[in-house]
Amino acid sequence: EIVLAQSPGTLSLSPGERATLSCRASQSVSSNYLAWYQQRPGQAPRLLIYDASSRATGIPDRFSGSGSGTDFTLTITRLEPEDFAFYYCQQYGSSPLTFGGGTKVEIK
Amino acid sequence: QVQLVQSGAEVKKPGSSVKVSCKASGGNFRNFAINWVRQAPGQGLEWVGGIIPVFGTTEYAQQLQDRVTITADEYRSTAYMELTSLRSDDTGLYFCARVPLPAAMRAYFDLWGRGTLVTVS
Repeated sequence: EIVLAQSPGTLSLSPGERATLSCRASQSVSSNYLAWYQQRPGQAPRLLIYDASSRATGIPDRFSGSGSGTDFTLTITRLEPEDFAFYYCQQYGSSPLTFGGGTKVEIK
Repeated sequence: QVQLVQSGAEVKKPGSSVKVSCKASGGNFRNFAINWVRQAPGQGLEWVGGIIPVFGTTEYAQQLQDRVTITADEYRSTAYMELTSLRSDDTGLYFCARVPLPAAMRAYFDLWGRGTLVTVS
């Protein structure tokens, strides 16, 4: 089973700042099959990025994904008020599907 | 526009079973896998398992495979997740989620239901 470690656990930033979230896998993720989701309180997760760097439909271009192998990054270039939420990475290159423990992006 | 509509909240006793439904309204149901993901209160996301309705093939998380069964009714465009021998640590939100790639079990999820709260107490 591939274990995904997300860091930091909490990121305290101000609107307009840049956010950099990390997701590190315990072994290489096949074909860079890694996704990122945003989850606001009381809501279902929303797909942001798939295949490590492809933006999902309707996702603003301030969200970008990068990385390969075992190290992946989600970058939010300029935080908007609605971006303060939890973020999860997920790998789907091998079974079982696994999620990271999440990063909370909170208002500083 | 496709939506996934889940059944309502459930309160169950330890040792009992629960069956949660997920109906796809609009769009093709049978060719796209439906997966289930759960979230304990204040915790992260955990994959439970999935099904490709047109084939009936299923996959389950190893730690739950003795207690979970996922089925699909193509005519009702509805997927079901049944969990037996419920314990207090099964309490949480259960989401259904769709894979947008035809006939692929394992991928990312582009469409999610709102979640069904299952409380075991």
